[in-house]
Amino acid sequence: GNSVTQMEGPVTLSEEAFLTINCTYTATGYPSLFWYVQYPGEGLQLLLKATKADDKGSNKGFEATYRKETTSFHLEKGSVQVSDSAVYFCALVLQGGSEKLVFGKGTKLTVNP
Amino acid sequence: DAGVIQSPRHEVTEMGQEVTLRCKPISGHNSLFWYRQTMMRGLELLIYFNNNVPIDDSGMPEDRFSAKMPNASFSTLKIQPSEPRDSAVYFCASSLGPGNQPQHFGDGTRLSIL
Repeated sequence: GNSVTQMEGPVTLSEEAFLTINCTYTATGYPSLFWYVQYPGEGLQLLLKATKADDKGSNKGFEATYRKETTSFHLEKGSVQVSDSAVYFCALVLQGGSEKLVFGKGTKLTVNP
Repeated sequence: DAGVIQSPRHEVTEMGQEVTLRCKPISGHNSLFWYRQTMMRGLELLIYFNNNVPIDDSGMPEDRFSAKMPNASFSTLKIQPSEPRDSAVYFCASSLGPGNQPQHFGDGTRLSIL
């Protein structure tokens, strides 16, 4: 079946530290990959996406590269801020098929000043 | 632009009562999704509609849950009778439709069943 595995949190960093949140996937077809972010008390927001191998999605200083050979889509940011504290979800959807997003369990990030 | 609007934001009710959650998708969006989020199970898709037609309801827990989309601008998720284990945050999301379109989420309804 289709699944997404994220590194377990919580992750605690100091401001300006480098962030990596690992995400790997299994898929029965060709997936599109997403990172969503959820701030406290809010719904999920799309952070970035990539739809084909070697594509890099980027937004707000965050980046992730679609690696087909390692079935990975790791999220990175060079210098985190306190305002980046949130829960981050990796997700996939099969292209040409159902619209059903398959989510990872989420990784909680806390950034301290 | 108005986002996905859900109501109520919070609901507290006693076991056995009927609960109705409401969602207004983004205008022009053709697909609508209902999710449930709990600490134990994470984020689960309950059902989704495309052009007001239910496409996949395999995530609906049991017959106590039902969802409708009478028109393009409104959907409901109903639980009858409610049970304490239904306590969760319920999210509605909408998208333009198939083709890698991102889903836009509402702020959720926090449901507590006593």
